[in-house]
Amino acid sequence: QVQLQQSGAELAKPGSSVKISCKASGYTFTSYYISWIKQTTGQGLEYIGYINTGSGGTNYNEKFKGKATLTVDKSSSTAFMQLSSLTPDDSAVYYCAIPPIFGVRWFAYWGQGTLVTVSS
Amino acid sequence: DVLMTQTPVSLPVSLGGQVSISCRSSQSLVHSDGNTYLHWYLQKPGQSPQLLIYRVSNRFSGVPDRFSGSGSGTDFTLKISRVEPEDLGVYYCLQSTHFPWTFGGGTKLELK
Repeated sequence: QVQLQQSGAELAKPGSSVKISCKASGYTFTSYYISWIKQTTGQGLEYIGYINTGSGGTNYNEKFKGKATLTVDKSSSTAFMQLSSLTPDDSAVYYCAIPPIFGVRWFAYWGQGTLVTVSS
Repeated sequence: DVLMTQTPVSLPVSLGGQVSISCRSSQSLVHSDGNTYLHWYLQKPGQSPQLLIYRVSNRFSGVPDRFSGSGSGTDFTLKISRVEPEDLGVYYCLQSTHFPWTFGGGTKLELK
């Protein structure tokens, strides 16, 4: 069955970076783009962007350009999101998600989420 | 960005009852391909969101027919009939017609 297994919680200092991972299984990794979503209590759910797992091409929400960098490692079926120049506003749960079939514009499968806490 | 406004924010319900959640968008969600990309998710406490309805009115695999979606243009509704305990949580709408995709603020379904 399709699974997206995300890396564990991160505690980071302001100004630093973190790189969280999303390991896919149960399907052909390059079949679906992987999207990333941010969830906070205050701002709710925000769409960060997606990566084409075949070509590595990306499309970012303007708000997250310069903040998030999406990459993939096809050899390990893993997607990564690096968050840089962290501030307390980056504290959130981050999800990776994929569609149910190729080419559709909604998510059916989500990772379990990775909590990032930014604090000095 | 397209603003998605969900109402109400909180929705008390009795088990077995029926409820409706509204989601309104700041611009039409009809895509140039003719489809309307409005979807509904339920997030239960401590879990990731789960897909209920895609493209306005299509139930995802395994979703009971107690859930139904309707609407067009900028105005959409999720109806839940015969509410069961496992239906409690926060409901979100998502539009994926316009990039960046945007979510509604959520509606918390809770017991009266």
